[in-house]
Amino acid sequence: DAKTTQPNSMESNEEEPVHLPCNHSTISGTDYIHWYRQLPSQGPEYVIHGLTSNVNNRMASLAIAEDRKSSTLILHRATLRDAAVYYCILRDWGGFKTIFGAGTRLFVKA
Amino acid sequence: KAGVTQTPRYLIKTRGQQVTLSCSPISGHRSVSWYQQTPGQGLQFLFEYFSETQRNKGNFPGRFSGRQFSNSRSEMNVSTLELGDSALYLCASSLFEVGQNTEAFFGQGTRLTVV
Repeated sequence: DAKTTQPNSMESNEEEPVHLPCNHSTISGTDYIHWYRQLPSQGPEYVIHGLTSNVNNRMASLAIAEDRKSSTLILHRATLRDAAVYYCILRDWGGFKTIFGAGTRLFVKA
Repeated sequence: KAGVTQTPRYLIKTRGQQVTLSCSPISGHRSVSWYQQTPGQGLQFLFEYFSETQRNKGNFPGRFSGRQFSNSRSEMNVSTLELGDSALYLCASSLFEVGQNTEAFFGQGTRLTVV
């Protein structure tokens, strides 16, 4: 199974952009790249997903490398409420299986 | 619309007992998957159901089983509980359309403690 690798933790200042990296060098052609985040005492929450092209939504942007072996989640202006564990995940085309990595704990300083 | 509902939210069981957890997906979602979350192992995939059929299974012993009903509601069962089964069990539902890839919506989980 393809796996993802993320830094254990990152720190950001409030109101600044945050770039969360993820490596997935064994990604297959049919795997989508998803990002979820988990706030304390809650289930994971969907953030964004993409296949090959960069994606934007109201929460974040996803930048996917041309060879698809890495991606970056971009939070344009971090707020205190963005402090969470961020998971970079691969889901096959039909969503049959979801592989979670260890995630990156994001700390946001006021 | 209502989100994914998991019941119960908290559960305490004794070693050797068995437990059944329930998950009601978002209306219209036919795919339900289950995950175990522990501090040591993180989030691990248990199994996934679609239209009452198990489509995929993670690397867990046979004591962990599940099923899905015709209304897409799902249950998972753990028999002969061990202390190491103490975890947060999360359920997620998603739409399934051939050739498309949609997001999963998670419930708040059931916190199982085995004593």
